[in-house]
Amino acid sequence: QVQLQESGPGLVKPSQTLSLTCTVSGGSISSGSYYWSWIRQPAGKGLEWIGRIYTSGTTSGTTNYNSSLKSRVTISVDTSKNQFSLKVSSVTAADTAVYYCARTPIVHDYAGPMDVWGKGTTVTVSS
Amino acid sequence: DIVMTQSPDSLAVSLGERATINCKSSQSVSYSSKNYLAWYQQKPGQPPKLLLYWASTRESGVPDRFSGSGSGTDFTLTISSLQAEDVAVYYCQQYYSTLTWTFGQGTKVEIK
Repeated sequence: QVQLQESGPGLVKPSQTLSLTCTVSGGSISSGSYYWSWIRQPAGKGLEWIGRIYTSGTTSGTTNYNSSLKSRVTISVDTSKNQFSLKVSSVTAADTAVYYCARTPIVHDYAGPMDVWGKGTTVTVSS
Repeated sequence: DIVMTQSPDSLAVSLGERATINCKSSQSVSYSSKNYLAWYQQKPGQPPKLLLYWASTRESGVPDRFSGSGSGTDFTLTISSLQAEDVAVYYCQQYYSTLTWTFGQGTKVEIK
C-alpha cells in the first residue's frame, strides 16, 4: 500500500526558507488521480491545510494554496523521484510545527478526503 | 474560505457511554446528494487517521461504533459506546471547496 514519508531540516532560521520533501512509496505519484497535500500542526494546536498539487494528466502541476499562506508557499513535484515538495519563505516562529503530507483520491472528478498520511516531521524556526 | 466550527472543544464521557461531536460549516458543503465532509481521529504523537468520509461512510477497518450524520452545514460524529482507545482529538474537514480545504479546530475526547 502507498506510504508517505516527510523529510527535511528540523531547524530553520527566521527569515529563511523552509524546505520539505514527501517521498511516496508503494505507488507512482503520477498514476491514478490524486491530490497531494501539505498540512501543519503547531504544538498543542489544530490542523492547518497548507496546499495541494495535482500530478496526473494534462493539468499535472496544478496547485492550490491556503489563502493565508499563499504569498509564501510553493508546492512542486518531481515525478522522477516520486516526491513532492513544500517551500515556505520568510519563516517566523509562527511556522514552527509538525508538517504532514497526505494523499487525496479523486473519484469521478470529485476530491475525496485525505486517506493516507505521512508520520510527520517537526520543524522549528529559531536562530 | 469555508470556516468549520466544532463543538464542544472538549468532552469527558464515561466508558460505554455515547459521545457526540458537532461540526458546523459557514456555508453548505453538500451538493448533488454528496456531503463533502470527513472526520479524522488523532492520538498523541500520531498523524490524523481518516474515520469517516462523505459525512457517514466509514473508512475500512473503522469500528461501527463510529457513525456520522448530517448535511448542508451541520454534521455530527457519534461514538456509540466509548472505549478507552477512543481517547483522542477529533477533527472535521470540508473538501467541498475546489480551491481550499479547511479543518475544524478539533474536539478532545476524554474518559470521565
